[in-house]
Amino acid sequence: EIVLTQSPATLSLSPGERATLSCRASQSVSSYLAWYQQKPGQAPRLLIYDASKRATGISPRFSGSGSGTDFTLTVSSLEPEDIAVYYCQQRGIFGPGTQVEIK
Amino acid sequence: QMQLQESGPGLVKPSETLSLTCSISGDTLHSYYWSWIRQPPGKGLEWIGYIYYTGSTVYNPSLKSRITISLDTSKNQFFLHLTSLTAADSAVYYCAKRQVFLQDYHFDYWGQGIRVTVSS
Repeated sequence: EIVLTQSPATLSLSPGERATLSCRASQSVSSYLAWYQQKPGQAPRLLIYDASKRATGISPRFSGSGSGTDFTLTVSSLEPEDIAVYYCQQRGIFGPGTQVEIK
Repeated sequence: QMQLQESGPGLVKPSETLSLTCSISGDTLHSYYWSWIRQPPGKGLEWIGYIYYTGSTVYNPSLKSRITISLDTSKNQFFLHLTSLTAADSAVYYCAKRQVFLQDYHFDYWGQGIRVTVSS
Protein backbone atom coordinates (compact mmCIF):
# COMPACT_ATOMS: atom_id res chain seq x y z
CA GLU A 1 0.00 0.00 0.00
CA ILE A 2 1.22 3.47 -0.89
CA VAL A 3 2.04 5.84 1.96
CA LEU A 4 2.02 9.61 1.48
CA THR A 5 4.28 11.79 3.63
CA GLN A 6 3.86 15.55 3.79
CA SER A 7 6.36 18.17 4.92
CA PRO A 8 6.63 20.37 6.76
CA ALA A 9 3.90 19.61 9.28
CA THR A 10 3.45 23.34 9.85
CA LEU A 11 4.49 26.27 7.67
CA SER A 12 4.44 29.78 9.08
CA LEU A 13 4.96 32.61 6.58
CA SER A 14 4.23 36.29 6.14
CA PRO A 15 1.64 37.60 3.67
CA GLY A 16 3.11 37.86 0.18
CA GLU A 17 5.68 35.12 0.75
CA ARG A 18 5.89 32.01 -1.37
CA ALA A 19 4.69 28.76 0.24
CA THR A 20 6.17 25.46 -0.85
CA LEU A 21 4.53 22.27 0.41
CA SER A 22 5.90 18.80 -0.22
CA CYS A 23 4.23 15.42 -0.65
CA ARG A 24 6.27 12.25 -1.06
CA ALA A 25 4.88 8.86 -2.08
CA SER A 26 6.42 5.59 -0.89
CA GLN A 27 6.44 4.33 -4.47
CA SER A 28 5.93 5.88 -7.88
CA VAL A 29 2.42 7.14 -8.58
CA SER A 30 3.24 8.65 -11.97
CA SER A 31 1.45 12.02 -12.07
CA TYR A 32 -1.60 10.73 -10.21
CA LEU A 33 -1.70 13.06 -7.23
CA ALA A 34 -4.22 15.63 -6.06
CA TRP A 35 -4.07 18.48 -3.56
CA TYR A 36 -6.87 19.79 -1.33
CA GLN A 37 -7.29 22.84 0.88
CA GLN A 38 -9.31 22.55 4.09
CA LYS A 39 -10.13 25.71 5.98
CA PRO A 40 -11.29 25.49 9.61
CA GLY A 41 -14.82 24.13 9.89
CA GLN A 42 -15.11 23.50 6.15
CA ALA A 43 -14.98 20.53 3.82
CA PRO A 44 -11.83 19.99 1.78
CA ARG A 45 -11.71 21.73 -1.59
CA LEU A 46 -9.95 20.28 -4.61
CA LEU A 47 -7.10 22.53 -5.77
CA ILE A 48 -4.94 20.43 -8.08
CA TYR A 49 -5.33 17.04 -9.78
CA ASP A 50 -2.99 15.00 -11.96
CA ALA A 51 -0.12 16.71 -10.12
CA SER A 52 -0.37 20.03 -11.98
CA LYS A 53 -3.88 20.64 -13.30
CA ARG A 54 -5.80 23.35 -11.48
CA ALA A 55 -9.38 22.50 -10.61
CA THR A 56 -12.20 24.70 -11.82
CA GLY A 57 -12.22 28.15 -10.23
CA ILE A 58 -8.89 27.79 -8.44
CA SER A 59 -6.66 30.87 -8.30
CA PRO A 60 -3.52 30.81 -10.48
CA ARG A 61 -1.60 31.53 -7.27
CA PHE A 62 -1.85 27.79 -6.65
CA SER A 63 0.32 25.51 -8.74
CA GLY A 64 1.38 21.89 -8.55
CA SER A 65 4.39 20.06 -9.90
CA GLY A 66 6.18 16.75 -9.68
CA SER A 67 5.92 13.16 -10.80
CA GLY A 68 6.95 9.74 -9.61
CA THR A 69 7.39 10.04 -5.84
CA ASP A 70 7.99 13.75 -5.19
CA PHE A 71 5.37 16.44 -5.55
CA THR A 72 5.09 20.12 -4.65
CA LEU A 73 2.21 22.50 -4.09
CA THR A 74 3.24 26.14 -4.42
CA VAL A 75 1.28 29.19 -3.33
CA SER A 76 2.99 32.02 -5.15
CA SER A 77 2.03 34.88 -2.84
CA LEU A 78 0.42 33.95 0.45
CA GLU A 79 -2.78 35.70 1.47
CA PRO A 80 -4.54 35.58 4.86
CA GLU A 81 -7.37 33.57 3.29
CA ASP A 82 -4.89 30.79 2.52
CA ILE A 83 -4.75 29.77 6.19
CA ALA A 84 -5.72 26.10 6.00
CA VAL A 85 -4.53 22.54 6.14
CA TYR A 86 -3.39 21.19 2.78
CA TYR A 87 -3.67 17.48 1.97
CA CYS A 88 -2.29 15.43 -0.87
CA GLN A 89 -4.20 12.40 -2.10
CA GLN A 90 -3.52 9.43 -4.31
CA ARG A 91 -6.47 7.15 -4.95
CA GLY A 92 -7.83 6.09 -1.53
CA ILE A 93 -4.88 7.46 0.43
CA PHE A 94 -4.53 10.92 1.95
CA GLY A 95 -1.38 12.45 3.34
CA PRO A 96 -1.33 13.70 6.96
CA GLY A 97 -1.55 17.34 5.91
CA THR A 98 0.47 20.55 6.19
CA GLN A 99 -0.89 23.38 8.31
CA VAL A 100 -0.22 26.78 6.75
CA GLU A 101 -0.18 29.71 9.16
CA ILE A 102 0.25 33.43 8.63
CA LYS A 103 2.88 35.19 10.75
CA GLN B 1 -23.68 23.49 -9.91
CA MET B 2 -23.74 20.14 -8.18
CA GLN B 3 -24.33 20.16 -4.44
CA LEU B 4 -24.11 17.34 -1.92
CA GLN B 5 -25.73 17.30 1.51
CA GLU B 6 -25.23 14.75 4.27
CA SER B 7 -27.97 13.93 6.76
CA GLY B 8 -28.35 11.55 9.67
CA PRO B 9 -28.00 11.32 13.44
CA GLY B 10 -25.38 13.35 15.25
CA LEU B 11 -25.20 10.95 18.19
CA VAL B 12 -25.14 7.18 18.06
CA LYS B 13 -24.60 4.62 20.82
CA PRO B 14 -21.69 2.20 20.87
CA SER B 15 -22.35 -1.14 19.12
CA GLU B 16 -25.19 0.40 17.11
CA THR B 17 -25.32 1.06 13.35
CA LEU B 18 -24.76 4.46 11.77
CA SER B 19 -26.92 5.30 8.78
CA LEU B 20 -26.12 8.39 6.73
CA THR B 21 -27.69 9.80 3.59
CA CYS B 22 -26.09 11.96 0.92
CA SER B 23 -28.56 13.92 -1.21
CA ILE B 24 -27.40 15.22 -4.57
CA SER B 25 -28.81 18.28 -6.30
CA GLY B 26 -27.90 20.03 -9.53
CA ASP B 27 -27.04 16.77 -11.30
CA THR B 28 -27.91 13.07 -11.20
CA LEU B 29 -26.21 10.01 -9.77
CA HIS B 30 -25.88 8.57 -13.25
CA SER B 31 -22.44 8.02 -14.79
CA TYR B 32 -20.56 9.03 -11.65
CA TYR B 33 -18.84 7.45 -8.69
CA TRP B 34 -19.80 8.49 -5.17
CA SER B 35 -17.68 8.27 -2.03
CA TRP B 36 -17.77 8.54 1.72
CA ILE B 37 -14.77 10.02 3.56
CA ARG B 38 -14.42 10.71 7.26
CA GLN B 39 -12.26 12.86 9.52
CA PRO B 40 -11.90 12.14 13.25
CA PRO B 41 -11.65 15.25 15.44
CA GLY B 42 -8.32 17.00 14.91
CA LYS B 43 -7.08 14.32 12.52
CA GLY B 44 -6.69 13.69 8.81
CA LEU B 45 -8.95 12.29 6.12
CA GLU B 46 -9.84 8.61 5.76
CA TRP B 47 -11.48 7.23 2.63
CA ILE B 48 -14.32 4.85 3.52
CA GLY B 49 -15.49 3.57 0.15
CA TYR B 50 -17.27 4.36 -3.09
CA ILE B 51 -20.19 3.24 -5.20
CA TYR B 52 -20.74 3.50 -8.93
CA TYR B 53 -24.19 4.49 -10.18
CA THR B 54 -24.66 0.88 -11.30
CA GLY B 55 -24.39 -0.21 -7.68
CA SER B 56 -20.90 -1.71 -7.73
CA THR B 57 -18.85 -0.86 -4.64
CA VAL B 58 -15.27 -0.74 -3.37
CA TYR B 59 -14.55 -0.40 0.33
CA ASN B 60 -11.53 0.52 2.46
CA PRO B 61 -10.13 -2.86 3.54
CA SER B 62 -9.77 -1.63 7.12
CA LEU B 63 -13.52 -1.02 7.35
CA LYS B 64 -14.85 -3.49 4.81
CA SER B 65 -16.43 -5.91 7.28
CA ARG B 66 -18.58 -3.14 8.79
CA ILE B 67 -19.56 -1.02 5.76
CA THR B 68 -22.37 -1.03 3.28
CA ILE B 69 -22.74 1.73 0.69
CA SER B 70 -25.89 1.75 -1.40
CA LEU B 71 -27.86 4.15 -3.57
CA ASP B 72 -31.36 5.09 -4.67
CA THR B 73 -31.28 6.59 -8.15
CA SER B 74 -34.96 7.55 -7.99
CA LYS B 75 -34.22 9.79 -5.02
CA ASN B 76 -30.77 10.89 -6.21
CA GLN B 77 -29.29 9.72 -2.92
CA PHE B 78 -26.64 7.36 -1.72
CA PHE B 79 -26.13 5.92 1.73
CA LEU B 80 -23.58 4.73 4.27
CA HIS B 81 -24.25 2.05 6.85
CA LEU B 82 -21.51 1.41 9.41
CA THR B 83 -22.09 -1.30 11.99
CA SER B 84 -20.65 -2.14 15.42
CA LEU B 85 -19.76 1.43 16.25
CA THR B 86 -17.08 2.39 18.75
CA ALA B 87 -15.78 5.73 19.94
CA ALA B 88 -13.10 5.48 17.24
CA ASP B 89 -15.84 5.97 14.64
CA SER B 90 -16.60 9.45 15.94
CA ALA B 91 -15.79 11.80 13.08
CA VAL B 92 -17.08 14.27 10.55
CA TYR B 93 -18.43 12.21 7.69
CA TYR B 94 -18.28 13.67 4.18
CA CYS B 95 -19.92 12.49 1.00
CA ALA B 96 -18.06 13.37 -2.17
CA LYS B 97 -18.14 12.83 -5.91
CA ARG B 98 -15.27 10.70 -7.11
CA GLN B 99 -13.99 11.94 -10.46
CA VAL B 100 -12.04 9.45 -12.53
CA PHE B 101 -9.06 10.86 -14.46
CA LEU B 102 -7.04 8.46 -16.58
CA GLN B 103 -5.94 5.71 -14.19
CA ASP B 104 -6.49 7.80 -11.10
CA TYR B 105 -9.26 9.62 -9.32
CA HIS B 106 -9.88 12.58 -7.07
CA PHE B 107 -12.83 14.13 -5.25
CA ASP B 108 -14.17 17.25 -6.92
CA TYR B 109 -17.43 17.93 -5.09
CA TRP B 110 -17.92 17.56 -1.35
CA GLY B 111 -20.78 17.87 1.08
CA GLN B 112 -20.39 20.17 4.07
CA GLY B 113 -19.96 17.18 6.37
CA ILE B 114 -21.94 15.81 9.29
CA ARG B 115 -20.44 15.40 12.75
CA VAL B 116 -21.16 12.02 14.30
CA THR B 117 -20.37 11.22 17.91
CA VAL B 118 -20.43 7.67 19.23
CA SER B 119 -21.24 7.78 22.91
CA SER B 120 -23.63 6.19 25.40
